[in-house]
Amino acid sequence: GAVVSQHPSWVICKSGTSVKIECRSLDFQATTMFWYRQFPKQSLMLMATSNEGSKATYEQGVEKDKFLINHASLTLSTLTVTSAHPEDSSFYICSARDLERSYNEQFFGPGTRLTVL
Amino acid sequence: GQQLNQSPQSMFIQEGEDVSMNCTSSSIFNTWLWYKQDPGEGPVLLIALYKAGELTSNGRLTAQFGITRKDSFLNISASIPSDVGIYFCAGPPNTGNQFYFGTGTSLTVIP
Repeated sequence: GAVVSQHPSWVICKSGTSVKIECRSLDFQATTMFWYRQFPKQSLMLMATSNEGSKATYEQGVEKDKFLINHASLTLSTLTVTSAHPEDSSFYICSARDLERSYNEQFFGPGTRLTVL
Repeated sequence: GQQLNQSPQSMFIQEGEDVSMNCTSSSIFNTWLWYKQDPGEGPVLLIALYKAGELTSNGRLTAQFGITRKDSFLNISASIPSDVGIYFCAGPPNTGNQFYFGTGTSLTVIP
């Protein structure tokens, strides 16, 4: 149980295009999902907290107009990187809380490797 | 966002040795979680701690929730090659809904 999937697992795009990444909780419901970015040899940095049915809460320094988050259902959150540039190349990881487990435990997706040319 | 400091940053040990790493924060945490991340994958939860002073084991792994609620420790006994990876502490601070990760400890086990 507590499986989180991400799609795609990797994507290469041209500068200026937009990329959508999906995060799904496969066997549980999640009112809250989180999006992280991880650069090589660095820790995971929280970008935003995604709440089902409401606007996402962004961390300081993260542009909400560039990183659009939609949490349309209890099992799906999407992150859209708009007008991507090479500096947006990174490993994007989502996580989700299981409503029926501990409030503070998070389960992570396998990540999406984004490369912007 | 807040960042948790982990030490050591990296470790190179012989197979069979025990490993200790710690995590400290300037804020009080209600929960401490320890994750392992393999290259190109998402973190996997190893141990969760919920009370100050709590000591919890998961196989060869043992973790403790510091009394001050500002630190936590992870020990790995009798290390094996598959223990290689990056270990992160994480958790939500006492205030707020966010969830933050430590700086990570990279573990290399030499057979």
